[in-house]
Amino acid sequence: NAGVTQTPKFQVLKTGQSMTLQCAQDMNHEYMSWYRQDPGMGLRLIHYSVGAGITDQGEVPNGYNVSRSTTEDFPLRLLSAAPSQTSVYFCASWAPGQGIYEQYFGPGTRLTVT
Amino acid sequence: AQSVTQPDIHITVSEGASLELRCNYSYGATPYLFWYVQSPGQGLQLLLKYFSGDTLVQGIKGFEAEFKRSQSSFNLRKPSVHWSDAAEYFCAVSNDYKLSFGAGTTVTVRA
Repeated sequence: NAGVTQTPKFQVLKTGQSMTLQCAQDMNHEYMSWYRQDPGMGLRLIHYSVGAGITDQGEVPNGYNVSRSTTEDFPLRLLSAAPSQTSVYFCASWAPGQGIYEQYFGPGTRLTVT
Repeated sequence: AQSVTQPDIHITVSEGASLELRCNYSYGATPYLFWYVQSPGQGLQLLLKYFSGDTLVQGIKGFEAEFKRSQSSFNLRKPSVHWSDAAEYFCAVSNDYKLSFGAGTTVTVRA
């Protein structure tokens, strides 16, 4: 099992550009989520999904879109990047329906917006 | 709303000394509690978890944590720290869909 994978590892964007951060998991977990990590603030939830076709907002959803067309993939889209979105982004998956309550994290994507 | 407080932003400890990291949580029901560790430039690795049962839980790398409902705490301990334990440690509480993290405690290990 590869677990949770994220691409790219690093990305630099100019203000106003758009991009998609990719996340995939091969553990058949029904739940997936996106977090951003900023110094001194821990990780904050952006969006989450409890299954294919079902997504919802977390604490800091503004400026981000998600979709979940398959169980395996959960891409995060930045529509018009802003410097405030400079952060490290982590994707996670878990499966409460299977008794798996701990979240498994990907290696992260470090995004810089200039 | 659930929340987690880690009172110590930074702790320095000598190699071989004991370590305790504090975590207080706020949650209306029986919490699912976790400790994660993050080495510089890396992702998050689960150290241990508490769902129910024995309030003293053992994790990987020689860590343990004790759940105290009366104090709303879930402190992490290690009897003898190794240089490789230098990292950032996050306490987290979960409901069904959301994991709420503390701000983290950075641990520095001096020789």
